[in-house]
Amino acid sequence: GAGVSQSPSNKVTEKGKDVELRCDPISGHTALYWYRQRLGQGLEFLIYFQGNSAPDKSGLPSDRFSAERTGESVSTLTIQRTQQEDSAVYLCASNPGWGSDTEAFFGQGTRLTVV
Amino acid sequence: AQSVTQLGSHVSVSEGALVLLRCNYSSSVPPYLFWYVQYPNQGLQLLLKYTSAATLVKGINGFEAEFKKSETSFHLTKPSAHMSDAAEYFCAVSEEGYSTLTFGKGTMLLVSP
Repeated sequence: GAGVSQSPSNKVTEKGKDVELRCDPISGHTALYWYRQRLGQGLEFLIYFQGNSAPDKSGLPSDRFSAERTGESVSTLTIQRTQQEDSAVYLCASNPGWGSDTEAFFGQGTRLTVV
Repeated sequence: AQSVTQLGSHVSVSEGALVLLRCNYSSSVPPYLFWYVQYPNQGLQLLLKYTSAATLVKGINGFEAEFKKSETSFHLTKPSAHMSDAAEYFCAVSEEGYSTLTFGKGTMLLVSP
């Protein structure tokens, strides 16, 4: 596709349920990031994938959060036993992965609401 | 560790007035610096970036930013605000050799007629 695609765009779930968020990066981009944007907050780094290297999971807030990536394509972010504080916009971004001065391209995000 | 501070969660200007959005960073090595803009209900898009070439960087839509090492700043400016500039602006930093971007909390720019 032309850009980074995220689905669903909106998700409402009940507290305690598991949710899965999907990200399709730009074709050929080896680097993929997940960020969380809470209301009135900046972008909080969650996890970073670079090619076949071990992902940087240092931003995941708890063991309820996990993410997978299939090769250099689709990624899924899973939140187990959702809590109300998990409500946020989850943003995915990708870049060619050639170095840290390269632009990251963002999807439009998934707005998660836990009720 | 790298960090970004954006002064002012909201900035209000009149149409035609100067826009100044402040960003200070902390980095243990020479940084790469970025400004992103987020329009309502849209994803983030890059306005401009500093990657150790010219210290004055020009971006899209008439925005520019100046890297000042002595002040650890990368403030965003535009000489004359337009109504269409109303959006949230994020400053971000990364470090050579590592691609993770660290973002500030964002500044909402409000433009009044």
